[in-house]
Amino acid sequence: GAGVSQSPSNKVTEKGKDVELRCDPISGHTALYWYRQSLGQGLEFLIYFQGNSAPDKSGLPSDRFSAERTGGSVSTLTIQRTQQEDSAVYLCASSLVSAGTSNGELFFGEGSRLTVL
Amino acid sequence: AQTVTQSQPEMSVQEAETVTLSCTYDTSESDYYLFWYKQPPSRQMILVIRQEAYKQQNATENRFSVNFQKAAKSFSLKISDSQLGDAAMYFCAYRSAYAGGTSYGKLTFGQGTILTVHP
Repeated sequence: GAGVSQSPSNKVTEKGKDVELRCDPISGHTALYWYRQSLGQGLEFLIYFQGNSAPDKSGLPSDRFSAERTGGSVSTLTIQRTQQEDSAVYLCASSLVSAGTSNGELFFGEGSRLTVL
Repeated sequence: AQTVTQSQPEMSVQEAETVTLSCTYDTSESDYYLFWYKQPPSRQMILVIRQEAYKQQNATENRFSVNFQKAAKSFSLKISDSQLGDAAMYFCAYRSAYAGGTSYGKLTFGQGTILTVHP
């Protein structure tokens, strides 16, 4: 697609439910990143994919959070047994190349706003 | 680990005036990239300007320019002739230039500065 696409745009769920957030990166972008942005805060790194593998999962806050990427394209972030503190905007970004290159621009989607009641 | 600090939670400017947003960072690396991103209410992160640490010349993009002070680890953004459409949250971000290690091209962000533009 023309840009990074995320769905759903908004999700309201009850505490304890599982949610899935989807990211469709720019075609051909091998690197994919998930970030979390709590209300009025900066962006917190969650996980990085290069192709289908995730060499850096250091930002996932707990084992309730997991992510996968298939076909080197679409990625899904899953939050199990959601808690109120999981409420945030989840942003996905993709890049043509990863670290060590001269052009490191990340292209962001519009995010998925998650509200846990 | 690298850290990025934006000490101004909020700033305001009159339309057509100039405003400067501050950013400092901490790193032990010598080669890296710095970015300013704009986030309007739509939540889309938009790249405003990029600076390579090995370049001494400050980056400029139309009305946006930076003051990069490598020794002081300072990277401020100047917006000239401010427009109503400039109102947004602005984030300063750092990315390592090294291929190795665990940075993997991820961006480390500051806390953001909300910019209000008054007509």
